[in-house]
Amino acid sequence: NAGVTQTPKFQVLKTGQSMTLQCAQDMNHNSMYWYRQDPGMGLRLIYYSASEGTTDKGEVPNGYNVSRLNKREFSLRLESAAPSQTSVYFCASSGDRGTRGSPLHFGNGTRLTVT
Amino acid sequence: RKEVEQDPGPFNVPEGATVAFNCTYSNSASQSFFWYRQDCRKEPKLLMSVYSSGNEDGRFTAQLNRASQYISLLIRDSKLSDSATYLCVVNGASGGSYIPTFGRGTSLIVHP
Repeated sequence: NAGVTQTPKFQVLKTGQSMTLQCAQDMNHNSMYWYRQDPGMGLRLIYYSASEGTTDKGEVPNGYNVSRLNKREFSLRLESAAPSQTSVYFCASSGDRGTRGSPLHFGNGTRLTVT
Repeated sequence: RKEVEQDPGPFNVPEGATVAFNCTYSNSASQSFFWYRQDCRKEPKLLMSVYSSGNEDGRFTAQLNRASQYISLLIRDSKLSDSATYLCVVNGASGGSYIPTFGRGTSLIVHP
């Protein structure tokens, strides 16, 4: 039982390049999330998906797109990377939609540097 | 005003000390609350949920004060291994879903 798996673990991009961060969970969770973490800023929500087929913007969605490919997978795409997107990215999932008490389960994170 | 606020610290305490952190939240409709622990930019890991009646897990006690809109975490008999960043998480309702919002974290350093 792997939990939440994120790939890649590390990535260096040049400004303007694109990439997709992959996330998969095997816990049959309905909700999935993408966060970024910057020094002194805590974790900020980029996008979330409350259930398969739905996605919604979080606090900092600009410059990103997401796809909820199926119940297991939720990907984050940077179409044209910028240095301001240098960050650590975490994918997370949680239990049934509307279950107010469900905690988050995190992937190991992706450390992205944009030069 | 940020939705979830924490004192960033660091709290620097000797082994064996008792230390407490508070976290305030602005959304009075928030439904559920958690404390997470994060080591050296690794992924956050659930430490404990916070229940209205308060709850304890070994050396850790969590409390919720809905009237004053804050949650607290008390760590007794601190260990060196407790050194980490403690993140407060508040789930607020948004369009039928519950969106977890993080505080910026409180850094704890336990020294010999």
